[in-house]
Amino acid sequence: EAGVVQSPRYKIIEKKQPVAFWCNPISGHNTLYWYLQNLGQGPELLIRYENEEAVDDSQLPKDRFSAERLKGVDSTLKIQPAELGDSAVYLCASSRNRGGYNEQFFGPGTRLTVL
Amino acid sequence: QQQVKQSPQSLIVQKGGISIINCAYENTAFDYFPWYQQFPGKGPALLIAIRPDVSEKKEGRFTISFNKSAKQFSLHIMDSQPGDSATYFCAARSSGSARQLTFGSGTQLTVLP
Repeated sequence: EAGVVQSPRYKIIEKKQPVAFWCNPISGHNTLYWYLQNLGQGPELLIRYENEEAVDDSQLPKDRFSAERLKGVDSTLKIQPAELGDSAVYLCASSRNRGGYNEQFFGPGTRLTVL
Repeated sequence: QQQVKQSPQSLIVQKGGISIINCAYENTAFDYFPWYQQFPGKGPALLIAIRPDVSEKKEGRFTISFNKSAKQFSLHIMDSQPGDSATYFCAARSSGSARQLTFGSGTQLTVLP
C-alpha cells in the first residue's frame, strides 16, 4: 500500500511570494490533515477534512493560508503571501474514519524556506 | 489551553541501555495517548499507544507506563539500539467529535554504539 505522498519535498521562496503544497492521501482514507511542524517542535494541526468538507480549520491563519480538497481525495495547501515566519515543515496525514482510534499516517512533509 | 509537556528535550543512551521519555498533560478529556517516532526527513510514524484505563502496555522493547491520577505517561525503550536514534513525540487525543491530536515538543534520542 502506497503511503501519503507530498510534493514538493523542498521549496525555497522569497517573502511575499505565493506557495502551494500538494498531498495525495492513502487510498480509501477519507480524513485528511494538514499539520505545521516548526524546528524542534511537534506537529500542530492546521486543518482537518472529512471527505471534501473542512470540519476543523480553527488553527488555520485564514488571512494568508487556504486549503482545498476537491473530490475528497487530493488536497492543496496554499500560502499567499508567504512570510519569514512561515518557514517550517508542512505535513499531510490521512486516516480511515471507522470510529474508535483511527491511526494517522503521515507523509514525509514539505520543507518550506522563506528568504 | 490543551498542552502536553514532554521531557527531556534530548537524551543520549548507550547501546543496550534503557531510554525513558516522560510526558504530562493537563486536560482530563484526553482519551488516547500515542507515541510517534520520527526519523530525519520522514513524517512521524505511530510507535505504540495506550488508553487511560490501562496502566501499562508493552510491544516488544517498547513500553508505555500510564499514571492517570498524576496525568503522566512515559515511554520506556529497553535494550536501546543505534537504530532507535530518532525524535520521539508523545501525543494526546481529545475526546468528542474533534478527536484532535496534541503533540509534545519531542525528544531527540541518540543511542551510542
